[in-house]
Amino acid sequence: DIQMTQSPSSLSASVGDRVTITCRASQGISNYLAWYQQKPGKVPNLLIYAASALQSGVPSRFSGSGSGTDFTLTISSLQPEDVATYYCQQYNSAPFTFGGGTKLEIK
Amino acid sequence: QVQLQQSGPGLVKPSQTLSLTCVISGDSVSNSSAAWNWIRQSPSRGLEWLGRTYYRSKWYSDYGVSVKSRIAIDPDTSKNQFSLQLTSVTPEDTAVYYCARDRGRVFVHWGQGTLVTVSS
Repeated sequence: DIQMTQSPSSLSASVGDRVTITCRASQGISNYLAWYQQKPGKVPNLLIYAASALQSGVPSRFSGSGSGTDFTLTISSLQPEDVATYYCQQYNSAPFTFGGGTKLEIK
Repeated sequence: QVQLQQSGPGLVKPSQTLSLTCVISGDSVSNSSAAWNWIRQSPSRGLEWLGRTYYRSKWYSDYGVSVKSRIAIDPDTSKNQFSLQLTSVTPEDTAVYYCARDRGRVFVHWGQGTLVTVSS
């Protein structure tokens, strides 16, 4: 299985801050990387696929980058509604695997 | 749009079989561009992909390594749904279970989730 490692596991930032979350794959996955946002008590919601493609309806303050083994999710200006846990997922090969999550809070 | 409605018991006894169903509306389980997945989430294991079924001129299923010997995911074309069966459950199988429809192996549509507790 391909292991996905996210960092940090938790993060506290102020409204308006630029926030970056990192995801590393245990082997190269090209750009087969997705990011999800999960708010408390809710279902995960797709934000980004193909490492950098924004899912329809997702605010443009979210962006993704990377290829191979190292990827980042960036929120350009943190908003209160962005409080959530964020997960990366590789879909280069089955079994599809997720990172452990990054819990984002507002300072 | 695609909607997935899950059903099944929230409590299963150890050693028994966990069975869940996901009813599809707005799409077909036989859609050759889609795959129909089960994913679970627990504090100890995080998000874990369990497996999928999909139709590409014939039916295929593939499964995650940790459950491969205990799992079956099957389509039911007459009811436009698919199901999960997980045998010989233990308390470690306690989790929220989700069905999901993918688009190119990315999970776009999710069911509402079912908390399944394994306990006597």
